[in-house]
Amino acid sequence: AQSVTQPDIHITVSEGASLELRCNYSYGATPYLFWYVQSPGQGLQLLLKYFSGDTLVQGIKGFEAEFKRSQSSFNLRKPSVHWSDAAEYFCAVVLNTGTASKLTFGTGTRLQVTL
Amino acid sequence: GAVVSQHPSWVICKSGTSVKIECRSLDFQATTMFWYRQFPKQSLMLMATSNEGSKATYEQGVEKDKFLINHASLTLSTLTVTSAHPEDSSFYICSAAQTSNYGYTFGSGTRLTVV
Repeated sequence: AQSVTQPDIHITVSEGASLELRCNYSYGATPYLFWYVQSPGQGLQLLLKYFSGDTLVQGIKGFEAEFKRSQSSFNLRKPSVHWSDAAEYFCAVVLNTGTASKLTFGTGTRLQVTL
Repeated sequence: GAVVSQHPSWVICKSGTSVKIECRSLDFQATTMFWYRQFPKQSLMLMATSNEGSKATYEQGVEKDKFLINHASLTLSTLTVTSAHPEDSSFYICSAAQTSNYGYTFGSGTRLTVV
């Protein structure tokens, strides 16, 4: 079955430390891949997306993600976390069908940042 | 950038009444809009896909008679929760799609509480 998995439900890092949030997908073809961030009680903000080309994608707020086809992964990274990065992070996929296809979300990873 | 306005941000209603939630794309035309439901500390579950001028497509298990979706224009979609009950209490989020670049812009969400 087609799915997107975020293995880590909750991660705690110290401010200034590096961060990596994992995302794995299970699709027959390479989907379009997204990372979103959600603050409590808010909608979702796009951090970055990957369609094709360079497998290392730069996003907003200092985030980047790397697409690894061999591992079916699209992990999100940040070299130095700020306290304001505490939020819920969702990986999402869309199948490349040429239409406004629906996003399928992972279960999310809650990031806690300690000072 | 693309902005989606969702209104109201929160609403409390009595059991048995109906509630309408609006989702507007402010600076772009959205051929397709999506409605999601999110339970506390969980991921977003797609309820339905709304295309302008046509009937919405509901996901399996979503009651189309309870969650009425109307997409009468390229900038407005509405979700009406009919005969609401406490179990309908949730966080509802809309998303508008820009087909050309797979841009999915999210509203800020509506917290519905049915008492």
